[in-house]
Amino acid sequence: GQQVMQIPQYQHVQEGEDFTTYCNSSTTLSNIQWYKQRPGGHPVFLIQLVKSGEVKKQKRLTFQFGEAKKNSSLHITATQTTDVGTYFCAGEIPSGTYKYIFGTGTRLKVLA
Amino acid sequence: SQTIHQWPATLVQPVGSPLSLECTVEGTSNPNLYWYRQAAGRGLQLLFYSVGIGQISSEVPQNLSASRPQDRQFILSSKKLLLSDSGFYLCAWSARSYGSVNEQFFGPGTRLTVL
Repeated sequence: GQQVMQIPQYQHVQEGEDFTTYCNSSTTLSNIQWYKQRPGGHPVFLIQLVKSGEVKKQKRLTFQFGEAKKNSSLHITATQTTDVGTYFCAGEIPSGTYKYIFGTGTRLKVLA
Repeated sequence: SQTIHQWPATLVQPVGSPLSLECTVEGTSNPNLYWYRQAAGRGLQLLFYSVGIGQISSEVPQNLSASRPQDRQFILSSKKLLLSDSGFYLCAWSARSYGSVNEQFFGPGTRLTVL
């Protein structure tokens, strides 16, 4: 079946260090979304990438969509304690269905 | 502005009992609606999604069912709960606008414990 995997599952970093999570799909995606879930909360939308090779930035966050539209990454520069949470990617499979398969998530802990 | 309501916030039910979780959306029309389940410390598993009244797509075989009796109402049900049904249930909606950003807005969730 359709799967979206994320690595790493967990990441502990010192405040100020960089962080990257990678998302890989078994099938080509029409678009990919990224969400952040704070402990005890619900997922909150961060961004959507649509084009092959697309790169988008939001302050310290950089999002990339692979050329083959099967993988994506989220990079956070100089992490802060407010970055703590679980980051999920979600891919639309198949195209045009509005059905999204969420990745397994990467839980980030930032040590002050 | 749009709002999504989900209740109850927490629920403790015995094995074999029925379940009904309700989700309603305000401030939009013809939304896509979703039910997800999240086990403790895990990712989101898509259970059902709906692109219109009476149109329900089921993603995993289980003893749960979903209904969409009205445009902005999505109900998750079970006739007999299993221990494995415990988890955090999230309802979400997105606008029907193909080619645009399909951001999903999540409700606060229902934490279900089956004993």
